Amino acid sequence: EPEVTQTPSHQVTQMGQEVILRCVPISNHLYFYWYRQILGQKVEFLVSFYNNEISEKSEIFDDQFSVERPDGSNFTLKIRSTKLEDSAMYFCASRLRTGSYEQYFGPGTRLTVT
Amino acid sequence: DQQVKQNSPSLSVQEGRISILNCDYTNSMFDYFLWYKKYPAEGPTFLISISSIKDKNEDGRFTVFLNKSAKHLSLHIVPSQPGDSAVYFCAASAGGGADGLTFGKGTHLIIQP
Repeated sequence: EPEVTQTPSHQVTQMGQEVILRCVPISNHLYFYWYRQILGQKVEFLVSFYNNEISEKSEIFDDQFSVERPDGSNFTLKIRSTKLEDSAMYFCASRLRTGSYEQYFGPGTRLTVT
Repeated sequence: DQQVKQNSPSLSVQEGRISILNCDYTNSMFDYFLWYKKYPAEGPTFLISISSIKDKNEDGRFTVFLNKSAKHLSLHIVPSQPGDSAVYFCAASAGGGADGLTFGKGTHLIIQP
């Protein structure tokens, strides 16, 4: 069964450093998402991406964040200058098409900023 | 600003009995609702969904009920099995093109033997 994959599973970085989190969505899906879950809190939407551009972004997704689909398979989230409060689980998700609302999530990347 | 609320942080149910997980929402623009199951150190796994034009959707042991007037939905699991022990998230979508999901805080379901 196709699934969303994410790398790395755990990333440790120092405050102020840039990080790139990688995702491979399900191959025939058209919509891509990033979410985060800070420890003990709920899953929060960051950004959605469709047709090679951002469709929607939350208040959390400020200028420090960017997304890219550099080729036909990868979908990346970049944090330019990490802060302590960026420590969280980051989940990538994908959705098949318009009219189908189910999003399928990857296993997540645990980001620890020290 | 909790648009999706799961007021029970945890729920303990005996194996074989019915588990009922509840979710309330405040945003009238939500028109599609989903339930996800999550094990520790894994991503959320899609379970079942329901459109706002329906009041019930069933898939095997899982049934979701939607009461639009009360802005309330529930997930029923019958019969409950040990493998059902996990955190269950209610999520909602306002539809449209690429809307992100709004999640509740989750309910930790514990199935006791």
